[in-house]
Amino acid sequence: QVQLQESGPGLVKPSETLSLTCTVSGGSISSYYWSWIRQPPGKGLEWIGYIYYSGSTNYNPSLKSRVTMSVDTPKNQFSLKLSSVTAADTAVYYCARAAAAKDYFDYWGQGTLVTVSS
Amino acid sequence: SYELTQPLSVSVALGQTTRITCGGNNIGSKNVHWYQQKPGQAPVLVMYRDTNRPSGIPERFSGSNSGNTATLTISRAQAGDEADYYCQVWDSSTGVFGGGTKLTVL
Repeated sequence: QVQLQESGPGLVKPSETLSLTCTVSGGSISSYYWSWIRQPPGKGLEWIGYIYYSGSTNYNPSLKSRVTMSVDTPKNQFSLKLSSVTAADTAVYYCARAAAAKDYFDYWGQGTLVTVSS
Repeated sequence: SYELTQPLSVSVALGQTTRITCGGNNIGSKNVHWYQQKPGQAPVLVMYRDTNRPSGIPERFSGSNSGNTATLTISRAQAGDEADYYCQVWDSSTGVFGGGTKLTVL
């Protein structure tokens, strides 16, 4: 059974960079598309972007200027960096898997709350 | 940018049938996926590519998609179906979610 687990700081200061890692277990990171999706408290879901195991990326245009994703295939991990954060970036951040570039998310991590505050 | 419109809330009596809609411009030309999210939990896929149920999702869940509206239908609603439901599509290369619908089972 594939499992995803997000990890990283739960508190980030305004203007700094949010960094999260998703560790995939129970399956290989190869041949799948790995997304980050976030959910501000009490609000809906927002797709941030995805990275293919080969390293190619696709970001939401609304966040593209601040987002960087990377993948570490030997460690079965992929990561998110979001720069110049503000309080509006406070959210639960989920990692998720899709079998194809424009397909459904079949596995999700449990999510991690990141709060942006000084 | 492409927008998906869902009702904020829908209610259904226990054992009855309810429909949750997802509106979008010519959404019938896209694959629509649906997720169920219970409080404090990650979303769970309940319908993919309009009409397909993942393994483990009851047959009570069904989907359709035509024109400008996609619909998730839940038959014989149970208390455990109470949750937020989100539709999702891809517009060009951007993932788009609807705003979510809170389903209340009375």
